[in-house]
Amino acid sequence: GAVVSQHPSRVICKSGTSVKIECRSLDFQATTMFWYRQFPKQSLMLMATSNEGSKATYEQGVEKDKFLINHASLTLSTLTVTSAHPEDSSFYICSARSPYGYTFGSGTRLTVV
Amino acid sequence: DAKTTQPPSMDCAEGRAANLPCNHSTISGNEYVYWYRQIHSQGPQYIIHGLKNNETNEMASLIITEDRKSSTLILPHATLRDTAVYYCIVRVAAEYGNKLVFGAGTILRVKS
Repeated sequence: GAVVSQHPSRVICKSGTSVKIECRSLDFQATTMFWYRQFPKQSLMLMATSNEGSKATYEQGVEKDKFLINHASLTLSTLTVTSAHPEDSSFYICSARSPYGYTFGSGTRLTVV
Repeated sequence: DAKTTQPPSMDCAEGRAANLPCNHSTISGNEYVYWYRQIHSQGPQYIIHGLKNNETNEMASLIITEDRKSSTLILPHATLRDTAVYYCIVRVAAEYGNKLVFGAGTILRVKS
């Protein structure tokens, strides 16, 4: 099957700093990856679609300059939360479209203090 | 722009079948129905998907009504480990391909 690895699983950062989250497809090439955010007791909210070699497509209401997405290779997409604030604390999850369907990473718990 | 409606929670006795309903009355003809589940603080796990025919795999069965406006996920013999949030999702066409837009989900509690 397809495996998506997400790193780190947990991160605590100070307010005003930036945090990078990596999403890798381990045994397949992913031209398209997706980034979701999930607040406690809520569903997953799609933030953006990451396309290899081109600009990401952001959902309405998601700040492009705050959530920087880079998809420079067929196996790696990164999400950088810039100038993080406590309200950015959330569970961030990536997903990749594989030959087997849509596979999700294990998520990153971001806490901004 | 979630296109599905699910009951917020359901209980099921261990060993019995769990039947999780989903309404997707605005689904388009070429949009698939996907089911995923999420156990606390983990990434969603794929269960099954279908277009218009009923589907079955080692985890579950998916029954889609003839008009495609609703579907039911069936876990034939629920175990305690099946306790999770179950999401019924319609795969939506987008500019750069299709995407999964999650609805609110159903919290399934399997009880002994």
